Amino acid sequence: DIQMTQSPSSLSASVGDRVTITCQASEGINHFLNWYQLKPGKAPNLLIYDASNLQRGVPSRFSGTGSGTIFSFTISSLQPEDAATYYCQQNNHLPYTFGPGTKVEMK
Amino acid sequence: QVQLEQSGAEVKKPGASVRVSCKASGYIFTQYYLHWLRLAPGQGLEWVGWINPNSGGTSYAQKFHGRVIMTRDTSISTVYMDLSALKSDDTAVYFCARDPHFTFWGQGTQVIVSS
Repeated sequence: DIQMTQSPSSLSASVGDRVTITCQASEGINHFLNWYQLKPGKAPNLLIYDASNLQRGVPSRFSGTGSGTIFSFTISSLQPEDAATYYCQQNNHLPYTFGPGTKVEMK
Repeated sequence: QVQLEQSGAEVKKPGASVRVSCKASGYIFTQYYLHWLRLAPGQGLEWVGWINPNSGGTSYAQKFHGRVIMTRDTSISTVYMDLSALKSDDTAVYFCARDPHFTFWGQGTQVIVSS
């Protein structure tokens, strides 16, 4: 199975800050990497697909880059409603696997 | 609009089985794979498997092999996940999600396994 790691595991930032999360795959996954936002009691929400494509309806402050094994996810100007846990996920190889998540809190 | 409506919460004893359903609407049911995932307390997201609603073909994560069966009923646009030999660490919220990229999700079904 492809192992996904994320860093940091958690962070605390202020409104307006730029926040970046890194995701690494244990082997190359081309660009088949997605990012999800998870809030308590809600279903996950797809933000970025295929490494860098913004899902329809998602604010443009969210972005993603990368290919192969190293990927990053950025919130350009953190908003209070962005407090959540963010997961990367690869869908290049079965079984599809997720990173352990990054919890983003507001300072 | 696309909607995935899941069945209600379940409480089961260890060793029992559970069936969770996911009814799709707002699109052609047979055109997109449906996946099952789960979120256990204090854990991350975990992919359980997928079903091809057109053919009924399935693929399961190795850790669930022999315990999970996914089926579908095209007449009512519904997929099912049956999980057997339940253990306490199967306690989780189970989600169905639609391709591509898990774009659409059901609301989640809480499954509690407790003696």
